[in-house]
Amino acid sequence: GENVEQHPSTLSVQEGDSAVIKCTYSDSASNYFPWYKQELGKGPQLIIDIRSNVGEKKDQRIAVTLNKTAKHFSLHITETQPEDSAVYFCAATRIQGGKLIFGQGTELSVKP
Amino acid sequence: ETGVTQSPTHLIKTRGQQVTLRCSSQSGHNTVSWYQQALGQGPQFIFQYYREEENGRGNFPPRFSGLQFPNYSSELNVNALELDDSALYLCASSLNPPGQFYGYTFGSGTRLTVV
Repeated sequence: GENVEQHPSTLSVQEGDSAVIKCTYSDSASNYFPWYKQELGKGPQLIIDIRSNVGEKKDQRIAVTLNKTAKHFSLHITETQPEDSAVYFCAATRIQGGKLIFGQGTELSVKP
Repeated sequence: ETGVTQSPTHLIKTRGQQVTLRCSSQSGHNTVSWYQQALGQGPQFIFQYYREEENGRGNFPPRFSGLQFPNYSSELNVNALELDDSALYLCASSLNPPGQFYGYTFGSGTRLTVV
């Protein structure tokens, strides 16, 4: 069945360092890959997304890369700040299908 | 501000009872999805509604049902509650004009505890 594997499950970095979270998906027909940040007591908030016709997308300190051949995509956060501390989820879906398949989440801790 | 409003924010129910959770979608969004998020896990897809019709369902039993109304608000109903139904229930809305896609916006969720 459809599956998204996400690693690592926890990540601790010093403020100013970079953080990288990796995901692998199983459904080769997936063509939309969003990343969500979830803070305690809140719903997932979209921080960046990428479609299958693009290999890389950047928005200020956040970037996402996609390797369709390997069915692998990654989130890169540079110059991390304490307010980046949260749980991050990757997801994959077919735009025409609508069902988001989420990874298990990565708890990012940025230490001042 | 998310634009998707869910109510109530917290709820405690007894095993065997029924519950209705509500979602008010972002203005103009014609598609709504519901997800169940157990503690420490990623959200799991329950079902999706497009223009008041269910058009996709995850691996959840029939006691999970839903409705979408003409104003695009939505309800999730769960009958015969079980302890394992305790979770955060998330509503996500999206605007999908034919041939286009603009992503999903999530609400803050309803925390359901079954005792």
